[in-house]
Amino acid sequence: DVKVTQSSRYLVKRTGEKVFLECVQDMDHENMFWYRQDPGLGLRLIYFSYDVKMKEKGDIPEGYSVSREKKERFSLILESASTNQTSMYLCASSSGTRTDTQYFGPGTRLTVL
Amino acid sequence: AQKVTQAQTEISVVEKEDVTLDCVYETRDTTYYLFWYKQPPSGELVFLIRRNSFDEQNEISGRYSWNFQKSTSSFNFTITASQVVDSAVYFCALRAGGGADGLTFGKGTHLIIQP
Repeated sequence: DVKVTQSSRYLVKRTGEKVFLECVQDMDHENMFWYRQDPGLGLRLIYFSYDVKMKEKGDIPEGYSVSREKKERFSLILESASTNQTSMYLCASSSGTRTDTQYFGPGTRLTVL
Repeated sequence: AQKVTQAQTEISVVEKEDVTLDCVYETRDTTYYLFWYKQPPSGELVFLIRRNSFDEQNEISGRYSWNFQKSTSSFNFTITASQVVDSAVYFCALRAGGGADGLTFGKGTHLIIQP
């Protein structure tokens, strides 16, 4: 079974703090993704990575950055957290073939006060 | 640009009723993939099915079935004899292009199965 894990289920931070959300997959997948989920908006793509040290902006990258130093790990960074970044963050990975499926982690519910 | 529309925000039915969740998509690509995911109260998205644009065969898996119609750009999901454990938010998603592309999600349908 594919296993995608995220470092925290719940996180509370203060405005202006630097926040790191970690995601690890154990299936040797090439691609990794970060989404945020908000009520009434569904899931929106923040960033994705198709290889180590490679990254691509998704639909809403503003205020975020990412890091992928190892194949199995993909980090989402909030350089200076703001209250409008309070959300559920979901990480996913996929094998990289054309027909592949994205598998999701359990999510991190981040609250910025 | 791609778009997925799930017009039903919330559906409530009584257990054992059949229920259909609608999904309409838009894309200019001729090759694309459609997905359904289930999000139970625990929050994790669970993959249910993937369909590619060249395969319009309907699929059945136990009480779940999917109807893909390119003519109407729809990929609807039916649960037969619903159960309380089916209560969740269901998302339809689209990917056009290569495997590295992100998914475009609909806004989800909250399905409530009442005992």
